[in-house]
Amino acid sequence: NAGVMQNPRHLVRRRGQEARLRCSPMKGHSHVYWYRQLPEEGLKFMVYLQKENIIDESGMPKERFSAEFPKEGPSILRIQQVVRGDSAAYFCASSLRQRETQYFGPGTRLLVL
Amino acid sequence: ILNVEQSPQSLHVQEGDSTNFTCSFPSSNFYALHWYRWETAKSPEALFVMTLNGDEKKKGRISATLNTKEGYSYLYIKGSQPEDSATYLCALSANTDKLIFGTGTRLQVFP
Repeated sequence: NAGVMQNPRHLVRRRGQEARLRCSPMKGHSHVYWYRQLPEEGLKFMVYLQKENIIDESGMPKERFSAEFPKEGPSILRIQQVVRGDSAAYFCASSLRQRETQYFGPGTRLLVL
Repeated sequence: ILNVEQSPQSLHVQEGDSTNFTCSFPSSNFYALHWYRWETAKSPEALFVMTLNGDEKKKGRISATLNTKEGYSYLYIKGSQPEDSATYLCALSANTDKLIFGTGTRLQVFP
């Protein structure tokens, strides 16, 4: 009964590189949410996806960030041309249905040098 | 912009003490209030989801109440233990699926 899995747990990138963060939801869950925790701040919503669809991306920065949740495989949060301000912990959550409990993964800590 | 406030920011109690913290939220467009327990280096762990005014939920020594009309929820821990030390987060679900989190109450229980 595996929970939400995220990898890598830690990721170091240099400015200008790309970061790819993966999230495998709990078995049977088709709703995935990404949240970000910047240093000294709380968790902030980024994007909500269902299989192959972006439902709500109101929390995503307008440039360089994208997310997908393909029919097969994990959800991917992609950050292009990373900058130091992207250094944060990125958490993924999944739920069985809309509006139900969201179960969180352990997060990916991204450090941009 | 919806804002969720939690107080106090941090709390230090002795083992055996009972304690409680507050989560305040705007009562318009309310759908659900979630409580999470978050230990360092672990995933936030779902404690409760409450939707109805007057809801009370209990899990072991931890319980929560909800007042949607005045926009607050209380989390209570009876007889705190060192293993209760964690950050307790509340999150509002309004008219969308995204959760709006408070900044948490950091609880430290000393033996």
